[in-house]
Amino acid sequence: EDQVTQSPEALRLQEGESSSLNCSYTVSGLRGLFWYRQDPGKGPEFLFTLYSAGEEKEKERLKATLTKKESFLHITAPKPEDSATYLCAADNFNKFYFGSGTKLNVKP
Amino acid sequence: NAGVMQNPRHLVRRRGQEARLRCSPMKGHSHVYWYRQLPEEGLKFMVYLQKENIIDESGMPKERFSAEFPKEGPSILRIQQVVRGDSAAYFCASSNTGIDQPQHFGDGTRLSIL
Repeated sequence: EDQVTQSPEALRLQEGESSSLNCSYTVSGLRGLFWYRQDPGKGPEFLFTLYSAGEEKEKERLKATLTKKESFLHITAPKPEDSATYLCAADNFNKFYFGSGTKLNVKP
Repeated sequence: NAGVMQNPRHLVRRRGQEARLRCSPMKGHSHVYWYRQLPEEGLKFMVYLQKENIIDESGMPKERFSAEFPKEGPSILRIQQVVRGDSAAYFCASSNTGIDQPQHFGDGTRLSIL
């Protein structure tokens, strides 16, 4: 069964404390791995697409990486405004499978 | 605002009534997806439509739920005879060339069933 699992469910960091979020996927043929940020009461906001193992994408304090079984979202020196739920989704050529997200809280 | 527009943002219905949720995709996008999200859960795929066609409705309940994306106008997700378990946030997303492109989301419709 195609599925995506994210860990941890929640993560609490001090401002400036770097960490990583994990997205493990089992899909029958991965076409793309997508990362989104979701703020309370809002729709997911697209961050990155990764297509092949070894690929990396960066945007400000965020860097996404991809292996054959999982993806990581690395957050370097986070700020309180990075607090949000981060979702990943795997595209298996038919549909997107979303994980349940990691709720990140960055304290000043 | 050229983003995905959903309305209403909040919808309250009594059990047995009908709920109609609307979605206008981003300008230039002809592919629309509907998702359902329960609190503290991820997005669950419901249906994928192109103009006038349903491409994949494998995530949509067989009864009471229907979706359309007419040639003119917004996409509509329709829930007939709503029950308490239909309470959720419903999100619409659009893309420009299909399933391999990033999907851009609206801010959702929060449906509450009394």
